[in-house]
Amino acid sequence: DAKTTQPTSMDCAEGRAANLPCNHSTISGNEYVYWYRQIHSQGPQYIIHGLKNNETNEMASLIITEDRKSSTLILPHATLRDTAVYYCIVRVAWETSGSRLTFGEGTQLTVNP
Amino acid sequence: EAQVTQNPRYLITVTGKKLTVTCSQNMNHEYMSWYRQDPGLGLRQIYYSMNVEVTDKGDVPEGYKVSRKEKRNFPLILESPSPNQTSLYFCASSLNRGVYEQYFGPGTRLTVT
Repeated sequence: DAKTTQPTSMDCAEGRAANLPCNHSTISGNEYVYWYRQIHSQGPQYIIHGLKNNETNEMASLIITEDRKSSTLILPHATLRDTAVYYCIVRVAWETSGSRLTFGEGTQLTVNP
Repeated sequence: EAQVTQNPRYLITVTGKKLTVTCSQNMNHEYMSWYRQDPGLGLRQIYYSMNVEVTDKGDVPEGYKVSRKEKRNFPLILESPSPNQTSLYFCASSLNRGVYEQYFGPGTRLTVT
């Protein structure tokens, strides 16, 4: 699996867009980029995923660079409830093994009033 | 509402007293999994199940058992709990094995004294 690098922490003002970067320079052609978040001690929550096109859903947008070596998760109007640790994960679909998710250190996003 | 439920949410027990943590999902997902999360060690997979009566070991299966007799339920059994199994446990499910869009339960905080 490709290694990912994220900033340790970020701050964002409530109501503003939060842009969370992730580097995955060793990503291979069949690996997807997934984003999860975990609010303190709660179950991780799936946010979005993509292969090479930009993706948007009701929670966030995912922008993947053309060379696929980095991506940005965008929360368009951050609220206090978006304060969480955000994890960027790279995975090949249809692995033969247990589809385990392993989270790195992630980015602690703090949304300030 | 689509969800994964776990019970109990909190449990304090003594060494050697058998316990079961239940997990149930209402999304007709084929794939279910158990993780434990410990400070500094991240999320580690214990067992997973690709369908009814199909289970396999994850990264840290020692001291745990699982069963998958029905599609919706995937209980985690600790036959003889020990203090090193004190942890935060999460159950997760997804449509099938290759899908990393996983839905997590709220977690079970287990303390073994």
